Amino acid sequence: AQSVTQPDIHITVSEGASLELRCNYSYGATPYLFWYVQSPGQGLQLLLKYFSGDTLVQGIKGFEAEFKRSQSSFNLRKPSVHWSDAAEYFCAVGLMDSNYQLIWGAGTKLIIKP
Amino acid sequence: NAGVTQTPKFRVLKTGQSMTLLCAQDMNHEYMYWYRQDPGMGLRLIHYSVGEGTTAKGEVPDGYNVSRLKKQNFLLGLESAAPSQTSVYFCASEPGLFSYEQYFGPGTRLTVT
Repeated sequence: AQSVTQPDIHITVSEGASLELRCNYSYGATPYLFWYVQSPGQGLQLLLKYFSGDTLVQGIKGFEAEFKRSQSSFNLRKPSVHWSDAAEYFCAVGLMDSNYQLIWGAGTKLIIKP
Repeated sequence: NAGVTQTPKFRVLKTGQSMTLLCAQDMNHEYMYWYRQDPGMGLRLIHYSVGEGTTAKGEVPDGYNVSRLKKQNFLLGLESAAPSQTSVYFCASEPGLFSYEQYFGPGTRLTVT
């Protein structure tokens, strides 16, 4: 069965430090790939997406993600985090034969140390 | 544009009571979804709709019903609430045509005692 794995439940990073959040998926073909962010008490917002083409994609709020086909990964990065980046981050995949559904990871909670 | 709105924001029910959660979107999106979010489990799809008058089951549909009588509204009903339905419920909409870009409401926190 298709699945999305975010191996880190929590990550703590100092303000100004770089960030990488991991996402791996299990699917036979290349899916559509997404990162969403959920700020405390709010709904989810799309950060960035990958459909095809350049494997390094830029998103909002200074985030980027790189698709690596050989590793079935779509890791999210930011060179320097800000306190306002504290949130929960969800990776999701859209499968071409999924009947319109996204498959979601369990989320990674980002904690920023001052 | 208000985007996606959800009513109510909070609710406490007793076991066996019923209620309806309302989701409304003003973006003329074709697809709408209801998810539940529980700690450590990410989002789980309850039901979805790909157009006015159509609904389909998601991953965890038991105990819930939905209706989409108007394109802009998607209702989620709990006929007989159970403590296992304590969760945060999110509605989302999507333009359609396999865009996969979902726009979320702020959520409804439901507690069943």
